[in-house]
Amino acid sequence: QSALTQPPSASGSLGQSVTISCTGTSSDVGAYNYVSWYQQHPGKAPKLMIYEVSKRPSGVPDRFSGSKSGNTASLTVSGLQAEDEADYYCSSYAGSNNYVFGSGTKVTVL
Amino acid sequence: QVQLQQWGAGLLKPSETLSLTCAVYGGSFSGYYWSWIRQPPGKGLEWVGETYHSGSTKYNPSLKSRVTISGDTSKNQFSLQLSSVTAADTAVYYCARGGVPGAFDIWGQGTMVTVSS
Repeated sequence: QSALTQPPSASGSLGQSVTISCTGTSSDVGAYNYVSWYQQHPGKAPKLMIYEVSKRPSGVPDRFSGSKSGNTASLTVSGLQAEDEADYYCSSYAGSNNYVFGSGTKVTVL
Repeated sequence: QVQLQQWGAGLLKPSETLSLTCAVYGGSFSGYYWSWIRQPPGKGLEWVGETYHSGSTKYNPSLKSRVTISGDTSKNQFSLQLSSVTAADTAVYYCARGGVPGAFDIWGQGTMVTVSS
């Protein structure tokens, strides 16, 4: 199972928005609405930001939103703040009792 | 507030067996899927496998022949064993709870495991 494809980097100015794409196949992202997004700061464990494509866990700001179209999912961070600078990983259920993660995107806040 | 605390050996020689344990504090072990996920240095995440409180397990097909995940409901713990390790198994290993559909909502602090002769 190949990793989902994410851009290596993305950036946005304070207060602006950034969108990260996550491209899979018709066997994972395109087949299931079990796409999730994780934020990881250096040396820390990942933190769940979005699950089931667009749902936010309790405590995650509504500046974070998710969507999906076909085999590509997206995470948008609106109103960028300094603390949003981190690595972001997407994940999808891939059938056959397997999960696949994306390659990761480093978000820089300018 | 549910917390996961993990521990295990951090330095192994090639061909040895990796063994890690994750304890669940402040919440129930039953009713959830419990996973192991790893991250090689400077790289992305890889799902290793999971166990359910009933004892059923699922493994990443690429690791299935070497992985065993088990749970102990009496101790609120679950464990990972990965046999015949090589340098390619060097990674930070995380335990995590599958508390929402298709996602991992609570993570342990991570354990760096290095395989080197």
